[in-house]
Amino acid sequence: AQKVTQAQTEISVVEKEDVTLDCVYETRDTTYYLFWYKQPPSGELVFLIRRNSFDEQNEISGRYSWNFQKSTSSFNFTITASQVVDSAVYFCALSHSREGNKLTFGGGTRVLVKP
Amino acid sequence: EPEVTQTPSHQVTQMGQEVILRCVPISNHLYFYWYRQILGQKVEFLVSFYNNEISEKSEIFDDQFSVERPDGSNFTLKIRSTKLEDSAMYFCASSVPWDHYNEQFFGPGTRLTVL
Repeated sequence: AQKVTQAQTEISVVEKEDVTLDCVYETRDTTYYLFWYKQPPSGELVFLIRRNSFDEQNEISGRYSWNFQKSTSSFNFTITASQVVDSAVYFCALSHSREGNKLTFGGGTRVLVKP
Repeated sequence: EPEVTQTPSHQVTQMGQEVILRCVPISNHLYFYWYRQILGQKVEFLVSFYNNEISEKSEIFDDQFSVERPDGSNFTLKIRSTKLEDSAMYFCASSVPWDHYNEQFFGPGTRLTVL
């Protein structure tokens, strides 16, 4: 069974502050994939970043960065210098390596960036 | 850039009525999925479909639900007799089997309201 937990339900920041979203996952597989999606008020799911389980190198992509730690089963996501347009619900998701496998989503974290 | 499309964007129906939600996956994709998101909650997997049959389904996907690929482009979700609790956003997604990350591409969603 796979499970994703996002303990933070809502985070409120002022523009230009950094925001870190926590994600903890459970899986018995040794090979799996992790994703972050953004859901703006319009409702669609926007893919942000992805990581596979055998690559723990952390990366930065523009204002986004992520910290993958296999030892603690965590895949945290940081928005640097937040902007009002970053206000949305952010979902962490997990998929096994088998092709066609479902995505298991966490409960989401609502981020509110105030001007 | 190819994208997944869904129609209608919003569907209102009376309890007990049948509804069909339609999706056009990306043309060279072979795996198709339906997910559901009740308002304010997380995104939940319903069903995956490959090679004209269901490859996996969740507990939510009971006898009231069915999926079909009636032609070479459409992928449909039918709810036979809608209930109030079926009110949700329904997302269609598709993926290719050879993708290293098993990345799923999501449509914009259909908001179903059952009165």
